[in-house]
Amino acid sequence: DTGVSQDPRHKITKRGQNVTFRCDPISEHNRLYWYRQTLGQGPEFLTYFQNEAQLEKSRLLSDRFSAERPKGSFSTLEIQRTEQGDSAMYLCASSEQGPNTEAFFGQGTRLTVV
Amino acid sequence: AQRVTQPEKLLSVFKGAPVELKCNYSYSGSPELFWYVQYSRQRLQLLLRHISRESIKGFTADLNKGETSFHLKKPFAQEEDSAMYYCAFYGGATNKLIFGTGTLLAVQP
Repeated sequence: DTGVSQDPRHKITKRGQNVTFRCDPISEHNRLYWYRQTLGQGPEFLTYFQNEAQLEKSRLLSDRFSAERPKGSFSTLEIQRTEQGDSAMYLCASSEQGPNTEAFFGQGTRLTVV
Repeated sequence: AQRVTQPEKLLSVFKGAPVELKCNYSYSGSPELFWYVQYSRQRLQLLLRHISRESIKGFTADLNKGETSFHLKKPFAQEEDSAMYYCAFYGGATNKLIFGTGTLLAVQP
């Protein structure tokens, strides 16, 4: 499968615990996005990378959230001290650089904080 | 602020009826606009982009700069068109991909 893959697909965690998600983009794509999606809402931008550089981070994102893309390939999204409000689907997407490029999405990681 | 607005959360039509999913954008430059679709239990995927001026699965979308709209249209809806549809564009200082809140299209038999 040469598409975008995310791991794990589901995660249940207790409030206060840390969680980390992984995204493997399509190999030749240098842009990588993280989004959060809750029921009835569209994908909400969290952050994105061009190669290993984090170009933008949403102001809605608290400092409990951090993302890395150390070698410009896979990326991780960590949430520290999880809260119930963090429960959502976390989506990763990748694309080539340039105008009008298509973003390819993974199947997402569903996080439930209990 | 740069954004796309999808005013309808739900659009319900009968099979064979015309469909128009509305999208309005707020952007000062020349927007790069897209429609993405998510079928049940599938990942989000591109449906069409305005630059291509193409018809995909019978859907078309025309950019109207005067009305700042990019509505998605299909003359005759099919049951398999039932899905969530998201309007999106590249915007912001770093040219990131921004999505609207989506419209659920339900095509009744």
